[in-house]
Amino acid sequence: AQTVTQSQPEMSVQEAETVTLSCTYDTSENNYYLFWYKQPPSRQMILVIRQEAYKQQNATENRFSVNFQKAAKSFSLKISDSQLGDTAMYFCAYPGGGGSEKLVFGKGTKLTVNP
Amino acid sequence: GAGVSQSPSNKVTEKGKDVELRCDPISGHTALYWYRQRLGQGLEFLIYFQGNSAPDKSGLPSDRFSAERTGESVSTLTIQRTQQEDSAVYLCASRQSPGLAGSASTDTQYFGPGTRLTVL
Repeated sequence: AQTVTQSQPEMSVQEAETVTLSCTYDTSENNYYLFWYKQPPSRQMILVIRQEAYKQQNATENRFSVNFQKAAKSFSLKISDSQLGDTAMYFCAYPGGGGSEKLVFGKGTKLTVNP
Repeated sequence: GAGVSQSPSNKVTEKGKDVELRCDPISGHTALYWYRQRLGQGLEFLIYFQGNSAPDKSGLPSDRFSAERTGESVSTLTIQRTQQEDSAVYLCASRQSPGLAGSASTDTQYFGPGTRLTVL
């Protein structure tokens, strides 16, 4: 079965510091995308960043970057200069394949940014 | 442009009643997904629509759950004879490209704000 594991149920960080959220996954696909979504208390799932598996270069989006290790099937999210608005649940996900590209999600990491 | 919208935002119902949840995808998005999110959990896939057909219904938990899509637009998720374990947030997402079997998705899924269903 295809699975996504986020081993840190909760994390906290001080404002302006850097934090890394971990994610490992299991897929037999060779070409795929990986996603990090953010879910604040409003429930809205917001795409933070995505990584194309065939690209060796790690994706970056402003303060957000990933460390993608394809062989290890690891996809961690680094948040630099953390802001109070980064407080949210963070979910790692990838398409489960089979044609529908339905997303398989981890259980999430609850991140709290403290002032 | 407008994002994915869902209604109602919250729904409280009594055990045994039927409920309908609505999703309006982003205009022009051919792929539509329903997910369920139980309290403190990640999202579980329920059903996928490509146009008006549903080639993947593998996530529907029981025959009490059904969904339809019309006009390649609005989708309705229906839960019959609701049970307390159906309490969850139901999220809808849409994506522009249909994707091809065996190929990687190139388009992101955009989510609606969800419907919080509470079954008493």
